[in-house]
Amino acid sequence: KNEVEQSPQNLTAQEGEFITINCSYSVGISALHWLQQHPGGGIVSLFMLSSGKKKHGRLIATINIQEKHSSLHITASHPRDSAVYICAGGKTGNQFYFGTGTSLTVIP
Amino acid sequence: NAGVTQTPKFQVLKTGQSMTLQCAQDMNHEYMSWYRQDPGMGLRLIHYSVGAGITDQGEVPNGYNVSRSTTEDFPLRLLSAAPSQTSVYFCASSPLGAGNQPQHFGDGTRLSIL
Repeated sequence: KNEVEQSPQNLTAQEGEFITINCSYSVGISALHWLQQHPGGGIVSLFMLSSGKKKHGRLIATINIQEKHSSLHITASHPRDSAVYICAGGKTGNQFYFGTGTSLTVIP
Repeated sequence: NAGVTQTPKFQVLKTGQSMTLQCAQDMNHEYMSWYRQDPGMGLRLIHYSVGAGITDQGEVPNGYNVSRSTTEDFPLRLLSAAPSQTSVYFCASSPLGAGNQPQHFGDGTRLSIL
């Protein structure tokens, strides 16, 4: 069993829809990271959070430490949001536990 | 702002050949790492470095060597390429340790071993 599980694996949405990607982890972590990977492209760090909620534009990330769960929300989704979203749990030091990613396709 | 630069972007090798994947960062980050990304699997750590002259193994180090002679550069060497090393390789850096610092990733190197 992976230390970090994401759901769903694949997601197709219509433009404008509200999107939620979930991440559950089974290990103690010091921070939860959300990454974005566009097709054929590099990986960009979207959020790093250890409690509560963070917002950047149309993206919102939340974390519940007690339940070991995090969500990434995209409001008013757009085709340019199509990408793979990766959740990763970071431990103090040099350990990362990566999820396998959620592939999002937003249809115009 | 260059950030993290990886070269080459694509490479095809024959089994048994050796090569070096280059990674350079211009942010004066102490921590650098190499990951491989395979279909259906999360990123896996190959090797990492917490500063010049200091390297350590990650989850999947076999078949790879690294060195860190400067803060800026962290090359990854494949000593004798094998088909199982066909993958996309990412280099990343952060100011200090990885777990609780935002990571800066390069654009990746897509490597095929025939």
